[in-house]
Amino acid sequence: AQSVTQLDSQVPVFEEAPVELRCNYSSSVSVYLFWYVQYPNQGLQLLLKYLSGSTLVESINGFEAEFNKSQTSFHLRKPSVHISDTAEYFCAVSGAGTYKYIFGTGTRLKVLA
Amino acid sequence: GAVVSQHPSRVICKSGTSVKIECRSLDFQATTMFWYRQFPKKSLMLMATSNEGSKATYEQGVEKDKFLINHASLTLSTLTVTSAHPEDSSFYICSATAMTGDDRTEQYFGPGTRLTVT
Repeated sequence: AQSVTQLDSQVPVFEEAPVELRCNYSSSVSVYLFWYVQYPNQGLQLLLKYLSGSTLVESINGFEAEFNKSQTSFHLRKPSVHISDTAEYFCAVSGAGTYKYIFGTGTRLKVLA
Repeated sequence: GAVVSQHPSRVICKSGTSVKIECRSLDFQATTMFWYRQFPKKSLMLMATSNEGSKATYEQGVEKDKFLINHASLTLSTLTVTSAHPEDSSFYICSATAMTGDDRTEQYFGPGTRLTVT
């Protein structure tokens, strides 16, 4: 079985500052890892994913995450945030070869002007 | 590609009535569809997994007679909330996985349906 922990429920940060949203997981098998973003009253949009290969994955809007197997982490980072990045961010894990996702409790990123 | 739609986006119904929510994969065939429930400011809770042509698999604690799931085709799954009560009010989100290759590992999410039971 897998589990996901997002320790920070809310992260306020000023515009153009860097941000890191933390995600740790536990699993007895190989995993796939995902970050999703949710804007108010909308569904989830995939931000980036790690399936295999390079441990550093990037999204088209400047976010990146690094899979760290020894620390069982998949933290999300952005060097300079925008007001439009304000949203809820969910980390998810699935066991390799399965389709079920386990979601973390989410981190609300609030970018301040 | 990989677009999932849900209908309706919002629905208000009276207590005791039933409401049906549709989830469609618009440009791919979905072997498996998932239904989630999201409480305000909370994470997504998986309710059930449905495969085309077979009975849905419900997560522990989810009443299968209350939340009826039908996966009639490779592009359509429906969730019917029967005899709805105010505590069923929530945001319901579906997702779908594609049939082949690496796409099987990724779930594509619908925009969600806001159900309010009065």
